[in-house]
Formats: sequence, C-alpha cells, structure tokens
Amino acid sequence: DAGITQSPRYKITETGRQVTLMCHQTWSHSYMFWYRQDLGHGLRLIYYSAAADITDKGEVPDGYVVSRSKTENFPLTLESATRSQTSVYFCASSQYYGYTFGSGTRLTVV
Amino acid sequence: AQSVTQLGSHVSVSEGALVLLRCNYSSSVPPYLFWYVQYPNQGLQLLLKYTSAATLVKGINGFEAEFKKSETSFHLTKPSAHMSDAAEYFCAVSERDSSYKLIFGSGTRLLVRP
Repeated sequence: DAGITQSPRYKITETGRQVTLMCHQTWSHSYMFWYRQDLGHGLRLIYYSAAADITDKGEVPDGYVVSRSKTENFPLTLESATRSQTSVYFCASSQYYGYTFGSGTRLTVV
Repeated sequence: AQSVTQLGSHVSVSEGALVLLRCNYSSSVPPYLFWYVQYPNQGLQLLLKYTSAATLVKGINGFEAEFKKSETSFHLTKPSAHMSDAAEYFCAVSERDSSYKLIFGSGTRLLVRP
C-alpha cells in the first residue's frame, strides 16, 4: 500500500540496548524526518534527510543515529537506549510543503 | 531560530461554543504555517495550511485559521464545537528555506463539554 509505514508499532527495550526504528515511504519523497513526541513538548525534530546519503541534525539529536542509503527508507537507531528516550516517535516524509506522518512507534525503555 | 508558541495547554469549551486555539510564531519573514490534529493513540492529521495565498484558510471539519502578519499569529477557530473535536491540536511552521523542517508548538488539548 502507498504511504508511510513505521515499525514496530510498540517496543519495550532495556537500558543500554541498541534499538532501531524503521520508516518506509512509497512516494519517493525527497525529504524525511524523525520526531519524538513528549508531553508538554509537542513534537521535536531529531534528524532529517534531504535525500539519500544526506542527513542533518535537528533539535534533539543526542543519542540517536540515522542513515539513508535508499530514498524510501530512513531508520532511526538508539545506540544505547536510556529511559529519557521513552517516547512516541513519528517519521514523516515531504515533497515541497506537503507532509505525511506515519502512525508512530511507542518506545518504552525500562 | 524559528519558534512556535501555543497559548494554553488545555482549552475547554461547551458543545456548540466557539473554538479558538492560539498560535504565534517568531519569524520576521512569514513562514508557511500548519495546524495538525491528533486523536488519542493516533498519528497527526493535517487540518489546514497557509502558504502565502489567501490569509483566511479553510480546512477540514469546519476549522479555519487566519494569518495575521502584524500580530505574527495563526489562530485556529471553529464556530461551533462538536464532541468529536476533542483532541490535541498542534501548530507548526516551516521556514521558506531548503530544509523543509517543520517546527511544532507544544500543543493544545481541546476538551468539549456536553
């Protein structure tokens, strides 16, 4: 199906473990984004990408790594998860100023 | 850096009353402006956006917003609230640059009383 897909939908992991959140879009949009949503903060930008192999930091990049080897995929990796990274993570893609968001991944770090 | 301020983390209205959710941005150059709605345990849905055409923008579900450059505001309104409007609303801006980044406000939760 066309759209933007995030997986997993829910994830529980332990402190210190590496975890990767997946994001896949079918439109070939150039731009992709990762946000985290926390109560009282709205959505904050973690990383974004303008094209394959081009990524840049957003507002809260510490503790996260991204890659974009293919236009359609934009995985987000927490190298060593901490409890402060418990959040809901949203991926988005954009062509010009039309944005589409995934359904989110709810990550709990215990 | 661009910032977005949403006044009031919670707004409560009676069913049938006017809904007014406030949003102010910081840029001296008018950015592109957006309102999103998020229902519980769901993703974000675009309500409307301003991209420098008409200053009064009409969106889905009877919502509209007016861009006021002199006040750096983009407040969201709906004449008559429905119970189904209860949700969280986010204002967002995107500067007219090559990054296309969306910067969000902290959100306003709308409560609709019967």
